[in-house]
Amino acid sequence: NAGVTQTPKFRVLKTGQSMTLLCAQDMNHEYMYWYRQDPGMGLRLIHYSVGEGTTAKGEVPDGYNVSRLKKQNFLLGLESAAPSQTSVYFCASSRSITGTIGQPQHFGDGTRLSIL
Amino acid sequence: DAKTTQPPSMDCAEGRAANLPCNHSTISGNEYVYWYRQIHSQGPQYIIHGLKNNETNEMASLIITEDRKSSTLILPHATLKDTAVYYCIVLNYGGSQGNLIFGKGTKLSVKP
Repeated sequence: NAGVTQTPKFRVLKTGQSMTLLCAQDMNHEYMYWYRQDPGMGLRLIHYSVGEGTTAKGEVPDGYNVSRLKKQNFLLGLESAAPSQTSVYFCASSRSITGTIGQPQHFGDGTRLSIL
Repeated sequence: DAKTTQPPSMDCAEGRAANLPCNHSTISGNEYVYWYRQIHSQGPQYIIHGLKNNETNEMASLIITEDRKSSTLILPHATLKDTAVYYCIVLNYGGSQGNLIFGKGTKLSVKP
């Protein structure tokens, strides 16, 4: 049982290049999330999805796009990379939230992205 | 902004209990208290969560005060592998997607 897997683990881009980060989960979770973490800071939510075919903006969505074509996959795209997007990106997934019953999020090990 | 206050750092001797405090004085009735930790260079790891009652699992215990304005995460027998940043998060799931808001957490150093 792999849990949440992120691909790639490391990447270096030049300013203006595009790329897609892949997140895959094998826990049949409905909800998926993309966060970024900058040095010395906590995680900030970029985009999230509450189900296949649906996405929504989080706290810091500018410069990113996402797609959830399959339940198990959540893609994060950078159309034109900028140095300010240098960060560690984490994907997470959770069961669907029913009423007010809490569900923990399970995280991948991150993608370290540097933009020169 | 995070709704919680945690000490920036704590030390604990290996084999002893680590007690990590968290203040959440503005918590509302339907907000859960969650604890996650992040070991260097890894993704955050879920530890435990609770609403009103004290909770225990294989990793830790969570003690929530009766007024719910503060809580304590207890690692009963800390090991060197428990050295990490611990995040206390309050979260209201009512009608929301439940995105986590991470503050700066407490850096726990377990020493031999």
